[in-house]
Amino acid sequence: DQQVKQNSPSLSVQEGRISILNCDYTNSMFDYFLWYKKYPAEGPTFLISISSIKDKNEDGRFTVFLNKSAKHLSLHIVPSQPGDSAVYFCAASVIPGANSKLTFGKGITLSVRP
Amino acid sequence: GAGVSQTPSNKVTEKGKYVELRCDPISGHTALYWYRQSLGQGPEFLIYFQGTGAADDSGLPNDRFFAVRPEGSVSTLKIQRTERGDSAVYLCASSSPPDTQYFGPGTRLTVL
Repeated sequence: DQQVKQNSPSLSVQEGRISILNCDYTNSMFDYFLWYKKYPAEGPTFLISISSIKDKNEDGRFTVFLNKSAKHLSLHIVPSQPGDSAVYFCAASVIPGANSKLTFGKGITLSVRP
Repeated sequence: GAGVSQTPSNKVTEKGKYVELRCDPISGHTALYWYRQSLGQGPEFLIYFQGTGAADDSGLPNDRFFAVRPEGSVSTLKIQRTERGDSAVYLCASSSPPDTQYFGPGTRLTVL
């Protein structure tokens, strides 16, 4: 049973536009959420995180929004750049912070067209 | 500084053989994690070490899988009697809690 769901396997956007990547979760015990980015033949790279006590966290071009009542989070990238083309994983943990096992979604492949 | 390194980068073995996968964490990181990523899936948790001890091994699929971290630094994931279903990319991550987990490039295991 997938506790973290990324229902759209792929997304294609034009360079300069906004990319919105969605993630849903079912486990109400999740308290901390992260987004990782992965290029082929490399390990996942941490992008941004958010604690359940917040509803928004911003870091440069990346913003994560959390809607706890809907068990939904999204990653916004604006403006999108060709170098953002990668697989994006949503992840969650029960324990606050990253000091515990992460449960990942299946990932979304983002393609940014020049 | 140096990131998490994993060796070998690729491993091809025959069904029934024994394999060892090595992870060198970032220096000073006390926590170390193993995940497995099958084709088309996200990483799946296997085991987590805090120092030398396994703090959570709930993700190990069966008793063919075992991991050690004897000196609290390098870790080895050991798989006995490999099966074709064990084919995956095995990822290692380390962290200095409560900081985030940093991943290595992974070892791609292929069981023929």
